Amino acid sequence: QVTLKESGPGILQPSQTLSLTCSFSGFSLSTYGMCVGWIRQSSGKGLEWLANIWWNDDKYYNPSLKNRLTISKDTSNNQAFLKITNMDTADTATYYCARWDYWYFDFWGPGTMVTVSS
Amino acid sequence: DVVLTQTPSTLSATIGQSVSISCRSSQSLLDSAGNTYLYWYLQRPGQSPQLLIYLVSNLGSGVPNRFSGSGSGTDFTLKISGVEAEDLGVYYCMQATHAPYTFGAGTKLELK
Repeated sequence: QVTLKESGPGILQPSQTLSLTCSFSGFSLSTYGMCVGWIRQSSGKGLEWLANIWWNDDKYYNPSLKNRLTISKDTSNNQAFLKITNMDTADTATYYCARWDYWYFDFWGPGTMVTVSS
Repeated sequence: DVVLTQTPSTLSATIGQSVSISCRSSQSLLDSAGNTYLYWYLQRPGQSPQLLIYLVSNLGSGVPNRFSGSGSGTDFTLKISGVEAEDLGVYYCMQATHAPYTFGAGTKLELK
């Protein structure tokens, strides 16, 4: 059974760095073709894909967030991570991680809400 | 970035009615290998999106066959043949042919 669950700080101040963890089970990020992605959802911008990390450690980022994103993984512990620097109120959103199984995002976590406020 | 335009933004339906949602892309979603990375997701209230259709017309695992997808190039359609109460929520199309992946703004399906 595939499950994913996001965890994060809940609230942080502008200019801080957001650190998110995706803990998953039921699959391995060392399996060929497997990937974990991060997607966020805000009332203002809808669903926005942020980044993917692949089984071979290839990483892809949404250029709109320029150099603010860093994605990584810990295959041994079945976790993926996302850091976003210089957070702003516009980054307030629910952040999801999802499994990409060769062709599609098939399983999503329940999401973690992140509020940026001073 | 590829812009996906969904219509309508809101859809009112009765139980048993058949409905369609359109997703139009600002660029062709056919890649050089002949694949079209167009997906449909349903987000029920308070839940995360769930996969309905992948690669334009393939049914996701466990998805009822009243859902179907069609289209090519820049024009795609999701059809629900006989809406059921559990189908209510927001439907999104998504493309992964061109980086960055992008989503449509969503179509809210509600009961009439």
